[in-house]
Amino acid sequence: GESVGLHLPTLSVQEGDNSIINCAYSNSASDYFIWYKQESGKGPQFIIDIRSNMDKRQGQRVTVLLNKTVKHLSLQIAATQPGDSAVYFCAESPPFNKFYFGSGTKLNVKP
Amino acid sequence: KAGVTQTPRYLIKTRGQQVTLSCSPISGHRSVSWYQQTPGQGLQFLFEYFSETQRNKGNFPGRFSGRQFSNSRSEMNVSTLELGDSALYLCASSLGGRALWAYNEQFFGPGTRLTVL
Repeated sequence: GESVGLHLPTLSVQEGDNSIINCAYSNSASDYFIWYKQESGKGPQFIIDIRSNMDKRQGQRVTVLLNKTVKHLSLQIAATQPGDSAVYFCAESPPFNKFYFGSGTKLNVKP
Repeated sequence: KAGVTQTPRYLIKTRGQQVTLSCSPISGHRSVSWYQQTPGQGLQFLFEYFSETQRNKGNFPGRFSGRQFSNSRSEMNVSTLELGDSALYLCASSLGGRALWAYNEQFFGPGTRLTVL
């Protein structure tokens, strides 16, 4: 099956810095991608999504970049806050198919 | 609008027993997907139900089964529990329309923490 992986299992950043979380996906047919945030004891929470016809999408303090050439996805968080500490997952979905999730990156924000 | 709810939140069972978990999707959502989350394997897709029919299935043994009712509520069942079934079981709902499937945002519930002793 498809595999979605993360380059860095743990990322530590200083409060106020920008964070970049990376994700590699393997299925070139995937056309929809989502970033989720999961806090301890909670289910994953939708952050931002992007379709394959785009290479960048911005939300509030977050930006997702998609590079289809190298099958790479990244999540940028601006001015990282302690409340951003969580595990972040990327997920990919081929058309009319299920979602495949990466193993997750833990983001630690140091005050 | 109420979110996805899952019951029970915590469950302790012993090997060989069976368990049934319940998920109530967001009102209007017709698709319910189930995932198993463990520290070692991450989020693994179990199956997806849409309009009472299983539409997608992951690579889990037949001990894992599910169903969906006419009101879109879903249950999953695990029979003959094994120690390795200890995990957080998450359900996610989405609108699920086939034409929009590729772009359907999934909303997750808080999960059911299953511990098998």
